[in-house]
Amino acid sequence: SQKIEQNSEALNIQEGKTATLTCNYTNYSPAYLQWYRQDPGRGPVFLLLIRENEKEKRKERLKVTFDTTLKQSLFHITASQPADSATYLCALGITGGGNKLTFGTGTQLKVEL
Amino acid sequence: GAVVSQHPSWVICKSGTSVKIECRSLDFQATTMFWYRQFPKQSLMLMATSNEGSKATYEQGVEKDKFLINHASLTLSTLTVTSAHPEDSSFYICSARDPSGDRTDTQYFGPGTRLTVL
Repeated sequence: SQKIEQNSEALNIQEGKTATLTCNYTNYSPAYLQWYRQDPGRGPVFLLLIRENEKEKRKERLKVTFDTTLKQSLFHITASQPADSATYLCALGITGGGNKLTFGTGTQLKVEL
Repeated sequence: GAVVSQHPSWVICKSGTSVKIECRSLDFQATTMFWYRQFPKQSLMLMATSNEGSKATYEQGVEKDKFLINHASLTLSTLTVTSAHPEDSSFYICSARDPSGDRTDTQYFGPGTRLTVL
């Protein structure tokens, strides 16, 4: 069966450290993968998109990698700040899927002082 | 750029009534909009894909007669929950796809609508 799994437990890290979030998938052939941030009671906010032929993408303190062999994406936040505390969602866009996204379960990140 | 709004942000209604939620793309034209539902502590579940000028495509298990979707213009899609029941209480979120340039695969989300059915 198809599955998209993210860190099941909440991730607590200290301010200034690098947070690494994982997104693993099975039985999918995604054309692209997106990462979103969601705060409580709000809609997701788009962060980064990476395509199947790209290994790495960066945007300011954010970096995402995409390994189609391992079927995994890693999302890094460097120099983390308490304001980065939120739930982070990965979403897969499937080839021929009509631009539909399938979302992972999300990882709750808490950055502590 | 790429701002999506939703209205209302929250609504409380009695069981058996209908509720309409609006989704607007404010600074781009969206040929495709999507409607999601999110229960507490769970991820987003796609309900339907809304294409301007044509019928919506519903995901398996979503009742099209209960969740009426209309995408009458390139900037507006509406979701009507008909004969709402307490189990329809949820967080409803829309997204819109900007077909221009290199943003074509990105979905931009609205702030969500919290529906509570008493």
